[in-house]
Amino acid sequence: EAGVTQFPSHSVIEKGQTVTLRCDPISGHDNLYWYRRVMGKEIKFLLHFVKESKQDESGMPNNRFLAERTGGTYSTLKVQPAELEDSGVYFCASSPSGGQKDTQYFGPGTRLTVL
Amino acid sequence: GNSVTQMEGPVTLSEEAFLTINCTYTATGYPSLFWYVQYPGEGLQLLLKATKADDKGSNKGFEATYRKETTSFHLEKGSVQVSDSAVYFCALRRTGNQFYFGTGTSLTVIP
Repeated sequence: EAGVTQFPSHSVIEKGQTVTLRCDPISGHDNLYWYRRVMGKEIKFLLHFVKESKQDESGMPNNRFLAERTGGTYSTLKVQPAELEDSGVYFCASSPSGGQKDTQYFGPGTRLTVL
Repeated sequence: GNSVTQMEGPVTLSEEAFLTINCTYTATGYPSLFWYVQYPGEGLQLLLKATKADDKGSNKGFEATYRKETTSFHLEKGSVQVSDSAVYFCALRRTGNQFYFGTGTSLTVIP
């Protein structure tokens, strides 16, 4: 079974540019989550999809961040325009519905550097 | 609110040494507690978990016991190996689906 994949693995952009991160969850997982780890700090929740619907987006830092999950499969996280403080590692995770949703399966992360 | 505090790193140990990484939490009610591990170049992997007080999670020689009285979930291993070198994250999950993570503890085991 393929795990959660993320693309790209690294992205270096300049302040003011736009970047789109992609996450492919484990096939069949209805729940998809985005998290972010800023250098040396804790991993923080950004938002949660159930299929194509946003269940909880309380962690999104501001309106420069837009997450979508068209068709309930892969998800994208767009940052526009990027600021220096957006640098960090963005993790995606997925989990099935039902009793096993307690465990989330994480991707390797996308390291974003904003110069 | 919900939060996790874990031991500052980095931690460097010799092979076969005893490992403890401290983790304490703040949460209302009865959270589930987790340890995740991130090996170099890989994503976070679930190492172990405990869902209620006094439960012990264990995996790959690692153990952690859910202590409600001290609000702790310390990670231990009796004899570490070079292959255990990684970053370890303590986390909790309350109602809802979001996880609350600690800052991570980097472990390096030297031969």
